[in-house]
Amino acid sequence: DAKTTQPNSMESNEEEPVHLPCNHSTISGTDYIHWYRQLPSQGPEYVIHGLTSNVNNRMASLAIAEDRKSSTLILHRATLRDAAVYYCILRNNNDMRFGAGTRLTVKP
Amino acid sequence: DAGVTQSPTHLIKTRGQQVTLRCSPKSGHDTVSWYQQALGQGPQFIFQYYEEEERQRGNFPDRFSGHQFPNYSSELNVNALLLGDSALYLCASSWGTSGRDTQYFGPGTRLTVL
Repeated sequence: DAKTTQPNSMESNEEEPVHLPCNHSTISGTDYIHWYRQLPSQGPEYVIHGLTSNVNNRMASLAIAEDRKSSTLILHRATLRDAAVYYCILRNNNDMRFGAGTRLTVKP
Repeated sequence: DAGVTQSPTHLIKTRGQQVTLRCSPKSGHDTVSWYQQALGQGPQFIFQYYEEEERQRGNFPDRFSGHQFPNYSSELNVNALLLGDSALYLCASSWGTSGRDTQYFGPGTRLTVL
């Protein structure tokens, strides 16, 4: 399975944008890039996904590099409720292989 | 619309015992996946059920088994419990088995093995 690499932790100030990077140099042409987040004491929650083009939804934006070997999850204005562990996952079928993720801390 | 539900919320067992965890998928979903999440780590894929059959399996021993019922609900069974089986067990449901499909997770069952 293709693997992803993320920083262990990141910090952000409230109401500022956050860019969470993910490297996936062994991505295959059929792998979708998914982002999930896990708030304390909860199950993971879907954030966004994409294949080749950048994607936007109400929660975030996903910027995918042209060679697809990296991607960035963008939270446009971080709130305290965005503090969570963010997972970047590659999928070409319906099982998901999680890494350790990035723990995002949001400071007021 | 009820989301993914899991029962029980918490469970305490002793080594060597057997445990059954239950999951009801989100309405309209036909695929159920199970994950194990040890403290401080990301979830690890156990297996996936679709059309009442195990379709994919992660790197877990045969002590971990499952079942999917005609109503798409699912059970996870773990035999001969070990201390290392203590974890949060997560169930996720989706419609179909495509890589682009969103999985919706339940709150999990916290299993403690003493």
